[in-house]
Amino acid sequence: RKEVEQDPGPFNVPEGATVAFNCTYSNSASQSFFWYRQDCRKEPKLLMSVYSSGNEDGRFTAQLNRASQYISLLIRDSKLSDSATYLCVVLRNNNDMRFGAGTRLTVKP
Amino acid sequence: DVKVTQSSRYLVKRTGEKVFLECVQDMDHENMFWYRQDPGLGLRLIYFSYDVKMKEKGDIPEGYSVSREKKERFSLILESASTNQTSMYLCASSGTSGGRQQYFGPGTRLTVT
Repeated sequence: RKEVEQDPGPFNVPEGATVAFNCTYSNSASQSFFWYRQDCRKEPKLLMSVYSSGNEDGRFTAQLNRASQYISLLIRDSKLSDSATYLCVVLRNNNDMRFGAGTRLTVKP
Repeated sequence: DVKVTQSSRYLVKRTGEKVFLECVQDMDHENMFWYRQDPGLGLRLIYFSYDVKMKEKGDIPEGYSVSREKKERFSLILESASTNQTSMYLCASSGTSGGRQQYFGPGTRLTVT
């Protein structure tokens, strides 16, 4: 079983839709959590950190449930430019990051 | 802006060749990482380094070695390339603060024939 599991998708949604991605992790000692975005043929870039209290950045909302070892990302009012692969990332300790395989999103006009 | 650069975007090598992939970062980061990314498997850590001349094995170090002689430079070496090392190789760096965010280079797509 992978340490970080994501639904690979693809998610195909129309512009303006709300879409949610889920992620589960198996190591209960994990310390920090992130969502990265990776465009086609590009490197991953940090989208947002995920905090226990939940956090929002514009149209993006991230949630963490430590008890269930579950992380989510909600995108409201999807734009064409949101099309990308979204990587769930878990930091185990100082430098040990574990990446999910990613969820592909395509937003269509 | 943090910049992580990798020596090549695309590389084609023959089985058995020695391959060097170089990574340079300009943010004076202590930590540097080499990953490979394969479809359906995500990013897997090959090696990382938290200081000059220091290195630690990641999850899949077999067939690879690394070198960090200067703080800004981290090299990945394939001693004898094999076809199962065909992959996208990503270098990353991070500091000791800022939530451990890792900054990635553009990647090297290596094909071993």
